Amino acid sequence: GAGVSQSPRYKVAKRGQDVALRCDPISGHVSLFWYQQALGQGPEFLTYFQNEAQLDKSGLPSDRFFAERPEGSVSTLKIQRTQQEDSAVYLCASSSGQGYGISGNTIYFGEGSWLTVV
Amino acid sequence: EDQVTQSPEALRLQEGESSSLNCSYTVSGLRGLFWYRQDPGKGPEFLFTLYSAGEEKEKERLKATLTKKESFLHITAPKPEDSATYLCAVQPRRNAGNMLTFGGGTRLMVKP
Repeated sequence: GAGVSQSPRYKVAKRGQDVALRCDPISGHVSLFWYQQALGQGPEFLTYFQNEAQLDKSGLPSDRFFAERPEGSVSTLKIQRTQQEDSAVYLCASSSGQGYGISGNTIYFGEGSWLTVV
Repeated sequence: EDQVTQSPEALRLQEGESSSLNCSYTVSGLRGLFWYRQDPGKGPEFLFTLYSAGEEKEKERLKATLTKKESFLHITAPKPEDSATYLCAVQPRRNAGNMLTFGGGTRLMVKP
């Protein structure tokens, strides 16, 4: 597609419920990122995929958070047993680059999935 | 640890009143410094990437500059449609991926 697409745009979950957030990156982009953005804050890194390989998951806040990208395109961020502190915007981003160079290193963001846990 | 601090947190300007936003950073080896614009309810929109001290980039009323410790986003004669949150982020050279570390953003409000 023309841009990074995320769904759902808005999700209200009851505490304890599992949620799944989907990201469809820009076609052909090798790198995919998930970020979490709390209200009034800058985005914070959660995890990074290069094709289907999850190369960095150091930002995932707990083992309740899980991400996958099984075929190297669409990705899903899953949050199990949601807590109120999980309420945030979850941003997906992609870039064409994959390595240490500057070629293709611009990262493009989707509109985000707004999660509210009640 | 990489750190990015943006100031001021919020800035109110009259239409036509030029000003600058500051982004101070510490990073072990900078690959790139990025500026994004974020409108309410939207994802960050890419504006500029700067790679080395002394570099400048311009787009309409915006000009970004970079030194070894900070970056400035200069806004010349702003219009109400420039109202948004401006985010600065650094991309360290050491990482295999291209992940960014963001500052907290500056919320800009331009009044007509």
